[in-house]
Amino acid sequence: SYELTQSPSVSVSPGHTATITCSGDKLGNKYACWYQQKPGQSPVLVIYQDSRRPSGIPERFSGSNSGNTATLAISGTQAMDEADYYCQAWDSSTWVFGGGTKLTVL
Amino acid sequence: VQLQESGPGLVKPSETLSLTCTVSGGSTSDYYWSWIRQPPGKGLEWIGFIYYSGSTNYNSSLQSRVTISLDTSKNQFSLRLSSVTAADTAVYYCARGTAVVGPADAYYFDLWGQGTPVTVSS
Repeated sequence: SYELTQSPSVSVSPGHTATITCSGDKLGNKYACWYQQKPGQSPVLVIYQDSRRPSGIPERFSGSNSGNTATLAISGTQAMDEADYYCQAWDSSTWVFGGGTKLTVL
Repeated sequence: VQLQESGPGLVKPSETLSLTCTVSGGSTSDYYWSWIRQPPGKGLEWIGFIYYSGSTNYNSSLQSRVTISLDTSKNQFSLRLSSVTAADTAVYYCARGTAVVGPADAYYFDLWGQGTPVTVSS
């Protein structure tokens, strides 16, 4: 079965750019999306189709996908961006999630 | 459109977990209606989906125990997970899956319920 791998944790200073990666075999040939989940809340879609932002998601969230790696970047990171982030892709008619990355804003 | 999960919060081991998701403010057409769970302190696990046409697909690790059904007249879809154990303790989310079909197909969950916690314990 297809697997997506994320680093367990990433730290960033306020105002700097946070980069969260997601790796999978030939992931660049698929579309990746990203969810943000804050404690006690449901996940929220922040990026879909590699780089598109849903309505209401700030412009500081951006995404890319090439080769074996999809990347979520958060520019000008704010304290409110501290959360768990999950990547997701579609493979063989199944939805696949990465293990999640905890973003800490120090 | 909103999604709301409902069902028992406590299920005994070996019994069947049953949850329902009510879709309000919209219809169940044209989407992949899915269940996803999250064990305490862990990540998201996709359980399965039912397409509005009635076709289903399940996570291979749960396939022998899972059934997802759709009741279009009530705008609801349901999850049944049989022979539960403590490992099935989790927050269960229902979600709406959207597909964008093209040279590469994009599938993502653009709408989630608030989640309902289920504990498996005697």
